[in-house]
Amino acid sequence: DIQMTQSPSSLSASVGDRVTITCRASQSISSFLNWYQQKPGKAPKLLIYAASSLQSGVPSRFSGSGSGTDFTLTVSSLQPEDFATYYCQQSYITPRTFGQGTKVEIK
Amino acid sequence: EVQLVESGGGLVQPGGSLRLSCAASGFTFSDHYMDWVRQAPGKGLEWVGRIRNKANSYTTEYAASVQDRFTISRDDSKNSLYLQMNSLKSEDTAVYYCTRDRGSGWYVLDYWGQGSLVSVSS
Repeated sequence: DIQMTQSPSSLSASVGDRVTITCRASQSISSFLNWYQQKPGKAPKLLIYAASSLQSGVPSRFSGSGSGTDFTLTVSSLQPEDFATYYCQQSYITPRTFGQGTKVEIK
Repeated sequence: EVQLVESGGGLVQPGGSLRLSCAASGFTFSDHYMDWVRQAPGKGLEWVGRIRNKANSYTTEYAASVQDRFTISRDDSKNSLYLQMNSLKSEDTAVYYCTRDRGSGWYVLDYWGQGSLVSVSS
């Protein structure tokens, strides 16, 4: 199975901060990398697919980059509604593994 | 509006069985692959399995942790997805999400249901 490792596991940030989360795959997954946001008690929501494509309706402050094994999710200016847990997922091969999550908390 | 609504969760004893259903609306259900994803309490997301569409012979794939115990099926005439869970273990306790693959070839889960809680305990 492909292992997905996110860093950091958690971070504290302030409104307006630029935040970057990284995701590393244990082998190359080309650009088959997706990012999801989950708020407490809610279902995950797709933010970015194919490493860098913004899902319709998602604010442009979210962006993704990378290919191969190393990927990043960036929030250019953190807003109050962005405090949540973020997961990467590889969709290159089955099983379609997720990272362990990165919790973004208010500083 | 795309909607996925799960039902059928609850408390079951170890070794028991349960069937989850997912009612889909707002899109052409028969065109899409559908996946199940679960989340144990306080834990991360775990992919459970998928079923392809009729054009791809309704083939299925499963995570190793549920292989031979869980079965995914669908009824396109009812716009419904199912997850039959047998030989349940305590580690199967989780919220189970029904998800839609957008069909772009990138295998992206673009819509998720609200989740159905399955608790396995004696």
